[in-house]
Amino acid sequence: NAGVTQTPKFQVLKTGQSMTLQCAQDMNHEYMSWYRQDPGMGLRLIHYSVGAGITDQGEVPNGYNVSRSTTEDFPLRLLSAAPSQTSVYFCASSPGSFTDTQYFGPGTRLTVL
Amino acid sequence: GEDVEQSLFLSVREGDSSVINCTYTDSSSTYLYWYKQEPGAGLQLLTYIFSNMDMKQDQRLTVLLNKKDKHLSLRIADTQTGDSAIYFCAEANFGNEKLTFGTGTRLTIIP
Repeated sequence: NAGVTQTPKFQVLKTGQSMTLQCAQDMNHEYMSWYRQDPGMGLRLIHYSVGAGITDQGEVPNGYNVSRSTTEDFPLRLLSAAPSQTSVYFCASSPGSFTDTQYFGPGTRLTVL
Repeated sequence: GEDVEQSLFLSVREGDSSVINCTYTDSSSTYLYWYKQEPGAGLQLLTYIFSNMDMKQDQRLTVLLNKKDKHLSLRIADTQTGDSAIYFCAEANFGNEKLTFGTGTRLTIIP
């Protein structure tokens, strides 16, 4: 099993550009989520999904969209990047819910100029 | 809302015990977790404890929970250089259906 994979590892964007951060898992997990990690602030939940076709907002959803068309994939879209979205983004998955062990991807470091 | 607090830094000599502390505000927390993040990697679950437990031991790791004071600690015995990492405390909040993470404590091992 590859576990949770994320691409790209690094990305630099200009303000106003759009992009999609990819996340995939091969463990047949139902629950997937996106977090951002900022210095001194821990991890904050952006969006999550409890299964294919179902998504919901987390703590900091503004500026981000998600979709879950398959169990395996959970992409995160930035529609119009802003410098405030400079962060490290982590995707995580778990078998059932947020109380289960979360398996994290290696992260994407995004810089918005 | 829910809040989970940790000190940002801890330095410990190799071979000593490390104690990483965490306080949380949500009295309805049922599960509390410790995750470890090594440089350039995602988080990995180290251990967890149910709120009806006071202590949990797993090899070199001991978790203590004081539910009255909403205080959680992680003790690492015989700290090694491989323990250098950021340690995150997290609590499961059933009201909001999410995990709330602390800021993380960066553990540095002094040779």
